[in-house]
Amino acid sequence: AQKITQTQPGMFVQEKEAVTLDCTYDTSDQSYGLFWYKQPSSGEMIFLIYQGSYDEQNATEGRYSLNFQKARKSANLVISASQLGDSAMYFCAMRERGTSYDKVIFGPGTSLSVIP
Amino acid sequence: GAGVSQTPSNKVTEKGKYVELRCDPISGHTALYWYRQSLGQGPEFLIYFQGTGAADDSGLPNDRFFAVRPEGSVSTLKIQRTERGDSAVYLCASTGVGANVLTFGAGSRLTVL
Repeated sequence: AQKITQTQPGMFVQEKEAVTLDCTYDTSDQSYGLFWYKQPSSGEMIFLIYQGSYDEQNATEGRYSLNFQKARKSANLVISASQLGDSAMYFCAMRERGTSYDKVIFGPGTSLSVIP
Repeated sequence: GAGVSQTPSNKVTEKGKYVELRCDPISGHTALYWYRQSLGQGPEFLIYFQGTGAADDSGLPNDRFFAVRPEGSVSTLKIQRTERGDSAVYLCASTGVGANVLTFGAGSRLTVL
């Protein structure tokens, strides 16, 4: 079963506008972490933001914020004031840890294109 | 080192050959992950090391894939009898004690002809 779902294979946004990239996840663990990574065409994986399952406040990092809705198991990324350099693939990821397992799994990604 | 280093950056091999991919994590990082990323897809988890031991190898696709980390630092991903379907970018990431953020290397692109 798909653990991380990103339903938007491709998104377009006008420069300087805000955009929301969707992510839903599936876990039976009580303690887990959620990430967003950016992958430009160069291929490097760039960390953007992290949210722990017990964190009460939504995480923010500069222009990035994570809209965490635990009951709905969603962790959407909001990018404010989009810039041309934001054009890239964006991956949502989840870390699960147990007595016999520890892994970080990634979703299929969303391709974001920022239009001048 | 300053970042996660992966070598080689590119490897072209023939079907059936043996391949080794190396990952040198950030100094002091105890946790190390290997992922495989096919074109247009998200990174696929392969194996996770905590120190020298493989804490979770549930993502290794079959027994042709094996990874070691003998001294708790550098790790080597070994692929035997390569197949064309093994062609992908192999990513390595590391993280420190108590940290959550994974720092990735630039990846090793494997092409099996």
